[in-house]
Amino acid sequence: DGGITQSPKYLFRKEGQNVTLSCEQNLNHDAMYWYRQDPGQGLRLIYYSQIVNDFQKGDIAEGYSVSREKKESFPLTVTSAQKNPTAFYLCASSMVGSVSYEQYFGPGTRLTVT
Amino acid sequence: AQKITQTQPGMFVQEKEAVTLDCTYDTSDPSYGLFWYKQPSSGEMIFLIYQGSYDQQNATEGRYSLNFQKARKSANLVISASQLGDSAMYFCAMRETAGGTSYGKLTFGQGTILTVHP
Repeated sequence: DGGITQSPKYLFRKEGQNVTLSCEQNLNHDAMYWYRQDPGQGLRLIYYSQIVNDFQKGDIAEGYSVSREKKESFPLTVTSAQKNPTAFYLCASSMVGSVSYEQYFGPGTRLTVT
Repeated sequence: AQKITQTQPGMFVQEKEAVTLDCTYDTSDPSYGLFWYKQPSSGEMIFLIYQGSYDQQNATEGRYSLNFQKARKSANLVISASQLGDSAMYFCAMRETAGGTSYGKLTFGQGTILTVHP
């Protein structure tokens, strides 16, 4: 089955530690995205990438970093510089050049930093 | 300024009734797309329906239809014959072209929590 996997589903870290969230897709999509969702809120874009080795900052990139070394993978690192990292993180992908650019989402990772 | 506005924090509907979830948007881009996603309590985002700015007809997908009023910049979601499983958070989102460099990134509204009563 094609889809997007994010692991782990729940992640706990101590303040001051960097943590990397995994996102893998086997949909052969070119574009990938990372969103952050806080309780009762909409999604906000952190980073996005259209091709391998290229990515762009979204609306709330401060304190985060990404890499895109393979088409299938777009890991997100939450650094210690992120002031309020506890949130729900969603990864998505879409086909570049499709009519709608519909985004397919992974199941998400809930990160708790204490 | 908010690009996507969902003014209904919560909505209630009786099972088997229809419900309309409101969404207004703001853009100067002539080419854009509007999406509705459903987010159950599990957190996954489920794509429901898409409307392109140049589409002449309102989009429909099964029990979902999009009431697209371009001049009013509104894109309301209509769910017909509500089911208990429709209880979830619903998000409206917009993709702007921005000269072809938007890479399909979406701007989301704050969401509306829909509760379906038996």
